[in-house]
Amino acid sequence: GENVEQHPSTLSVQEGDSAVIKCTYSDSASNYFPWYKQELGKGPQLIIDIRSNVGEKKDQRIAVTLNKTAKHFSLHITETQPEDSAVYFCAAGGSARQLTFGSGTQLTVLP
Amino acid sequence: GAGVSQSPSNKVTEKGKDVELRCDPISGHTALYWYRQRLGQGLEFLIYFQGNSAPDKSGLPSDRFSAERTGESVSTLTIQRTQQEDSAVYLCASGVVDEAFFGQGTRLTVV
Repeated sequence: GENVEQHPSTLSVQEGDSAVIKCTYSDSASNYFPWYKQELGKGPQLIIDIRSNVGEKKDQRIAVTLNKTAKHFSLHITETQPEDSAVYFCAAGGSARQLTFGSGTQLTVLP
Repeated sequence: GAGVSQSPSNKVTEKGKDVELRCDPISGHTALYWYRQRLGQGLEFLIYFQGNSAPDKSGLPSDRFSAERTGESVSTLTIQRTQQEDSAVYLCASGVVDEAFFGQGTRLTVV
């Protein structure tokens, strides 16, 4: 089955700096890669996703890149703000299969 | 429109009792997932329903766990003879084909 590894497990950045979270996956059949933000006591919220026919996708301060050959994808957050502080999860799946999640990254944006 | 709704939001049960957790997906969503999240941990896949296809039950940890879904509507996750290690947040998500939009979860505490 699919195996997703996520790094780092914790990340602290100064407000205004950029944050990058990286994930690798094992199953070459995976073609859908979403990212979730989870705040304390809440369910994960889908913030951006990318499919394997695209190398990069941007939405305001958030971008995701995908390298299908190397089987890795990354989340980039620019101009970080304190409200970006949360746990971020990557996932891999697609083709009507279940999503496999990474272990999460606790992002702290320091004011 | 309404998001994914889960009930109850909190459940405390005695060890050995059976519990039933409910998920109301977003209308029209053919895919429905159940995940388990232990405190401070990642998302552990339990079961995946997609339309009229046979569910993917490969994540259910033991035969004490079962889930049903009525068509493309409500799903219930049943845990029989609960154990303390079943204490966790149980998250339901729904989507169309690959996406997953999560509810707020049911926090289960087995005492």
